Amino acid sequence: SAVISQKPSRDICQRGTSLTIQCQVDSQVTMMFWYRQQPGQSLTLIATANQGSEATYESGFVIDKFPISRPNLTFSTLTVSNMSPEDSSIYLCSDSGFEAFFGQGTRLTVV
Amino acid sequence: GQQLNQSPQSMFIQEGEDVSMNCTSSSIFNTWLWYKQDPGEGPVLLIALYKAGELTSNGRLTAQFGITRKDSFLNISASIPSDVGIYFCAGPTRYNTDKLIFGTGTRLQVFP
Repeated sequence: SAVISQKPSRDICQRGTSLTIQCQVDSQVTMMFWYRQQPGQSLTLIATANQGSEATYESGFVIDKFPISRPNLTFSTLTVSNMSPEDSSIYLCSDSGFEAFFGQGTRLTVV
Repeated sequence: GQQLNQSPQSMFIQEGEDVSMNCTSSSIFNTWLWYKQDPGEGPVLLIALYKAGELTSNGRLTAQFGITRKDSFLNISASIPSDVGIYFCAGPTRYNTDKLIFGTGTRLQVFP
């Protein structure tokens, strides 16, 4: 089983600013996935991060708002840009999409 | 699009009771996954099901892959306080099996 670490675990940010969330996996994985979990809701896939190519975004999510980096096979970042209170959510990364393991999440509050 | 609906939405039970929850879809899934999310944590995989009709146990947890492939069930026997959390079903999307779609969740509260 993979161990996935996310940083920060939580943050409170001012609207209009950006936050970059880091995700580190303890083994090499081909794909990493970023999810958003709005308060009291289920998980929604934001994008798939592949090393060496641009991330693939799901409907309703765009690169300008959620730029993703994937510099190597164990690391990825998700930036939440120009934040508004509606971006207050838990952001989660996972390794494989199948029988996925998840990080502990980043709880973001935008004020 | 594909959707996974879970019921009940929430449950409040006494310690020691058995729990049943289900997950249904209008489309067929070839794999069913059950996750538990503790407060402040990411989801943790509990059980994975791969064949229609399959019944799989993990300790006090038992899950079944519905014969129609459109539903799955999770049972917890003799509940304990640490069973508190949100239980999600999930399955690979129709068009890309590397991606997961998650159910709406069942929130479980256990009272001593």
